[in-house]
Amino acid sequence: DIQMIHSPSSLSASVGDRVTVTCRASENIGRYLNWYQQKPGKAPKLLIYAASNLQSGVPSRFGGSGSGTDFTLTISSLQPEDFATYYCQQSYSMPYTFGPGTKLEIK
Amino acid sequence: QAQLQESGPGLVKPSQTLSLTCNVSGGSLSSGGYYWSWIRQHPGKDLEWIGYIYPSGSTFYNPSLKSRVTISLDTSTKHFSLRLSSVTAADTAVYYCARMKSSSMTIYYFDLWGQGTLVTVSS
Repeated sequence: DIQMIHSPSSLSASVGDRVTVTCRASENIGRYLNWYQQKPGKAPKLLIYAASNLQSGVPSRFGGSGSGTDFTLTISSLQPEDFATYYCQQSYSMPYTFGPGTKLEIK
Repeated sequence: QAQLQESGPGLVKPSQTLSLTCNVSGGSLSSGGYYWSWIRQHPGKDLEWIGYIYPSGSTFYNPSLKSRVTISLDTSTKHFSLRLSSVTAADTAVYYCARMKSSSMTIYYFDLWGQGTLVTVSS
């Protein structure tokens, strides 16, 4: 199985900050990478698919980039509702796998 | 707007079979291009894809669970189901049903999720 690694595992930031979360795959996955946001007690929500494509309805402050093994999720200006855990997921090879997540907390 | 809702027992005894159902409302299980999936999240937060079923009946199961998993689909009643046999405490998790779809770029992603249901394995 392809392993996904997040860095950092947790991050403290303030409203208005620009934040970057990184995800690394154990092998080349092209651009077969998706990002999800999960709030406590809720299901994950799709933010980005195919590394950089914004899912319909997701605010434009969210952006994704990368290819191969290294990917980033950027939030350009943190809003209060963005404090959550963010997961990457590869769709290159079955079984599709998720990273352990990055928890974004309020500073 | 389609919605998914899981249902089933919240407590299962060790060695028994876990059975969950996902009801699909506002949409059709028969729609092409959608793969109906189960995903679980252990208390320590890791997400694990269990597998999917396509309307044709074809399935994929995660090899880590393949010997114990069955996913089935009933388009007439608009639900799909998960059965996981011989459960242990390690199967304690929140179980989500989810819709997997592909974009024009042939990448698959989970674009619709149920709210999740906690299943505890304990005697």
